[in-house]
Order: sequence, then structure tokens, then C-alpha cells
Amino acid sequence: TQLLEQSPQFLSIQEGENLTVYCNSSSVFSSLQWYRQEPGEGPVLLVTVVTGGEVKKLKRLTFQFGDARKDSSLHITAAQTGDTGLYLCAPPPRGTSGTYKYIFGTGTRLKVLA
Amino acid sequence: NAGVMQNPRHLVRRRGQEARLRCSPMKGHSHVYWYRQLPEEGLKFMVYLQKENIIDESGMPKERFSAEFPKEGPSILRIQQVVRGDSAAYFCASSPGPLSYEQYFGPGTRLTVT
Repeated sequence: TQLLEQSPQFLSIQEGENLTVYCNSSSVFSSLQWYRQEPGEGPVLLVTVVTGGEVKKLKRLTFQFGDARKDSSLHITAAQTGDTGLYLCAPPPRGTSGTYKYIFGTGTRLKVLA
Repeated sequence: NAGVMQNPRHLVRRRGQEARLRCSPMKGHSHVYWYRQLPEEGLKFMVYLQKENIIDESGMPKERFSAEFPKEGPSILRIQQVVRGDSAAYFCASSPGPLSYEQYFGPGTRLTVT
């Protein structure tokens, strides 16, 4: 069973600060997804990274997939209160051995203070 | 194109009653996932269904829980004889196909067992 550890578990910062959160595993993934879940809502897919070393940017969010495809990071520049939420990483299922389930990481709960 | 719909959004049940949670996938999507999220925790996979078929139910408790996705109508997650530990947010997500990398979440049903 692949385990995804996300760090830090909790993060509280002031508006305008930069931050990085991490998603780590001992397994190699063919791809990895990042989601953001706002309070009281379902998760929303932010990005899928596929290639080792890949960097994708989504406005102030920068996603990187590790060279070995075992880890990923999310960097937020100049955080805003709207960035508050639970950030989750998950590798899309491969369908091997009849497994189709998404296994989500433990999550990083981010709070951006005004 | 309407998103994934879940109802009810909030459900209160007494111990021993049954809970029925409904999920209508996005138009054109024939695959549904159900997840459970305990307070302050991440998402845990429960079951993956296609129309009229359960594909992967490895995350669902063997007793009291069942899921279906009939040819017509929404997917239903049914919890019989609810207990306090069933209190959680239940999310469904729909996908256009297996292993498609796309998964769109509904807003969730918050179940409270008193």
C-alpha cells in the first residue's frame, strides 16, 4: 500500500507570505495530482504532474514533481486569504491488480490570515 | 454543464436508523467514487462504481454499508443502523471513464448521528 505523507500538517501564515508544502512517498508514481478543498466544499483538482522534474504554474501556485517521481511540492507566492484550505495530493490509480482507488495524502491545512 | 450534485447536504440520523446519500454525476460521466472524510482528516476511498457495477469496494466496511449506481438515477450510498462513528462528510466524485485522470467532486453530504 502506497503511503503519501504531506507536510506540514498545519500551516498558518500572514497574507503576502510565501510558503511551500510537500507530498512525499517511498513509491514511484506515474503521475500525481494536487487538490484544494475549501471549508464546507468538495476538493477541486488544481493540477496533474506527469514527468519527473516537471514544473507547472497556476498563477501564484508552482507545482513541482520530483525527478524520481516519488515526491512533489507546491509553492504559493504572496499568499492570499482565498488560498485558505486543505491541500491534498493523490496519484491517479493505475488500475493494476484491479485497483482503481485514489489514495489521498494526509493533507496540509493552510490558513492565511488577513 | 451542471457539476456533481449530492443530496441531502446535511443529514441527521439517530443511532440505529438508515442513511441514504445520493450522488448525481456530471452529464456524460458513468463512473462514480465515494469517499469519507472524518473531521480534520483527509479523504478515504470507499467504493468505485460504474453504471450497474461495483468495480472496487475495498475501502468500504463489510457490514452496514452498501453502494449502487443503477442504470437510471443517481448513485446511492446506504448506511444501515448508523452509529456515532459514522458521523462524517461523505463525498462523491464522478469521472468520464476509468483511469481518466479527471475526477470532479460534489459538495458532500454531512452526516451527523445523534
